Amino acid sequence: EAEVAQSPRYKITEKSQAVAFWCDPISGHATLYWYRQILGQGPELLVQFQDESVVDDSQLPKDRFSAERLKGVDSTLKIQPAELGDSAMYLCASRSTGTSNTGELFFGEGSRLTVL
Amino acid sequence: GDSVTQMEGPVTLSEEAFLTINCTYTATGYPSLFWYVQYPGEGLQLLLKATKADDKGSNKGFEATYRKETTSFHLEKGSVQVSDSAVYFCALVSGGTSYGKLTFGQGTILTVHP
Repeated sequence: EAEVAQSPRYKITEKSQAVAFWCDPISGHATLYWYRQILGQGPELLVQFQDESVVDDSQLPKDRFSAERLKGVDSTLKIQPAELGDSAMYLCASRSTGTSNTGELFFGEGSRLTVL
Repeated sequence: GDSVTQMEGPVTLSEEAFLTINCTYTATGYPSLFWYVQYPGEGLQLLLKATKADDKGSNKGFEATYRKETTSFHLEKGSVQVSDSAVYFCALVSGGTSYGKLTFGQGTILTVHP
């Protein structure tokens, strides 16, 4: 069964360091999402791609966060410098363009970040 | 903007008990509604969905009915099992967007004891 792959599963870093997360969506899925899930809260959208283009990054803290999807396939989310408040689960999801806007999003297992 | 409100949690039940997790929403247009489940150590999985008013989504014994008049999408199960222990998220996609952005509630932790 096709899955959304994410790495690393866990990352511990010190504040002010740089971190990066990688996501490989289900093959053929043109829409890719990065969500942040703080413990005890629901996921919040950070950035959404359609192919290689950003269609929504309104909630992305652009002073320290960046995201790219250069070839419209896999994607990288970077944080530099990391702050204590960035500790969270970072979730990647994808959706097929063949699906209407009521279609299902498929999520990866997430990357848990701890900033010390 | 769009928002989803879930009942305060966590919820603790004995096996075979009846489950209700309340969910209400605010959205423009006519949203599609979803319940996602997150088992310990795993990613989010779609549990069920409903795309228009009065639709009933169902899966694995869980049900939820899209109630436009009360802007609600409450999750129910007649007899829970220990294996249902997880975090449940209500979510919506606003009908006004063409890009399928999901807005989530805060999640409800369900623990089922034998």
